Amino acid sequence: KAGVTQTPRYLIKTRGQQVTLSCSPISGHRSVSWYQQTPGQGLQFLFEYFSETQRNKGNFPGRFSGRQFSNSRSEMNVSTLELGDSALYLCASSSRQGAGYEQYFGPGTRLTVT
Amino acid sequence: AQSVAQPEDQVNVAEGNPLTVKCTYSVSGNPYLFWYVQYPNRGLQFLLKYITGDNLVKGSYGFEAEFNKSQTSFHLKKPSALVSDSALYFCAVRDQVDSSYKLIFGSGTRLLVRP
Repeated sequence: KAGVTQTPRYLIKTRGQQVTLSCSPISGHRSVSWYQQTPGQGLQFLFEYFSETQRNKGNFPGRFSGRQFSNSRSEMNVSTLELGDSALYLCASSSRQGAGYEQYFGPGTRLTVT
Repeated sequence: AQSVAQPEDQVNVAEGNPLTVKCTYSVSGNPYLFWYVQYPNRGLQFLLKYITGDNLVKGSYGFEAEFNKSQTSFHLKKPSALVSDSALYFCAVRDQVDSSYKLIFGSGTRLLVRP
């Protein structure tokens, strides 16, 4: 099976702009989670989508939003970008079946805000 | 609240020697624990998980982890390190709130294997 894919891999944006990141999960996986990785804060949970519904959201401002489509693909959007939003954004998918619930991660989108 | 701690920022080991990367956890209920590895400019790769059962869990690339309930630890081990094992390692615990799941990660440990 193909792995989790994320596009684009790299982005450079200016403060105040908005950005949309895309994630395609492993075929058959219906759960998609997003994480932000920064040197200072480490890996932090943003949100999880399952069956097109947001199931949980981490402690991030409302500028961070997402959605999931019927084919399980997901997008996240960040509006009014701030310098502190510069990070590696990781998408992870899971089948959510069984007790293990291991998540499989994509390569990430490196966002730089200038 | 669930949490994991990785007490070492970096672990240095010579190639061919055994390696251990430490992780301790704090959970309510049964722990679901994971190890991931991250290579430069890459996402996280799943190594192994503990759900229940045997305390010694075997995973990918020759790694294994030992679950110790009394010490609330889940240390990652490998009998013989390779230079290619040099990477950033994350311990994680699954947190469930209602019908939602998320992973809570430790701060990461950089493993450096010298030739």
